[in-house]
Amino acid sequence: AQKITQTQPGMFVQEKEAVTLDCTYDTSDQSYGLFWYKQPSSGEMIFLIYQGSYDEQNATEGRYSLNFQKARKSANLVISASQLGDSAMYFCAMREGYDSSYKLIFGSGTRLLVRP
Amino acid sequence: DVKVTQSSRYLVKRTGEKVFLECVQDMDHENMFWYRQDPGLGLRLIYFSYDVKMKEKGDIPEGYSVSREKKERFSLILESASTNQTSMYLCASSLGLAGGPGLFFGPGTRLTVL
Repeated sequence: AQKITQTQPGMFVQEKEAVTLDCTYDTSDQSYGLFWYKQPSSGEMIFLIYQGSYDEQNATEGRYSLNFQKARKSANLVISASQLGDSAMYFCAMREGYDSSYKLIFGSGTRLLVRP
Repeated sequence: DVKVTQSSRYLVKRTGEKVFLECVQDMDHENMFWYRQDPGLGLRLIYFSYDVKMKEKGDIPEGYSVSREKKERFSLILESASTNQTSMYLCASSLGLAGGPGLFFGPGTRLTVL
């Protein structure tokens, strides 16, 4: 079974509008971490935001917020006021348990295209 | 500025060749990783290392081996390259602490096996 599921292979959003990228996860661990990374066409992976399983508040970083719904096992990324530079691949990832090796499991990604 | 570097951005090899992909990090991180990225499949873990000379298989180790002789360097080896190993290879490192940013990635090596 997929540990991280991103059901939207591609999405469009109009510049200046908000967009939500979906991510659901599957784990039996109580302690885990959820990450979002951005990969522009240049290929580098850029860390965006992190949510720990025990964090009570949704994480926010500038225009990025993580809509964490623990009971539903979802960790959707919300980008407010989209910019042309937000066009990229976005990956959701999870770290399970207290594994100090810090392996991350990634989803298949969502390609976002921001229209002017 | 923290840095993970990979020896090549683009590489073209022939079927059956032995291929070395090198990765170096300057952050004194304990953990290093090799992922491959394919469209529709995301990133899949090939191997990782949590200390010098230590390695563990990831989800798709078949056809690959790794070497970590020094803390800062982690090499991925394709013993006999095949066309189904054509992919983007991403190296990453981490300190192994909870919270962001998780992994620090290199720029990737796009490998084509003909």
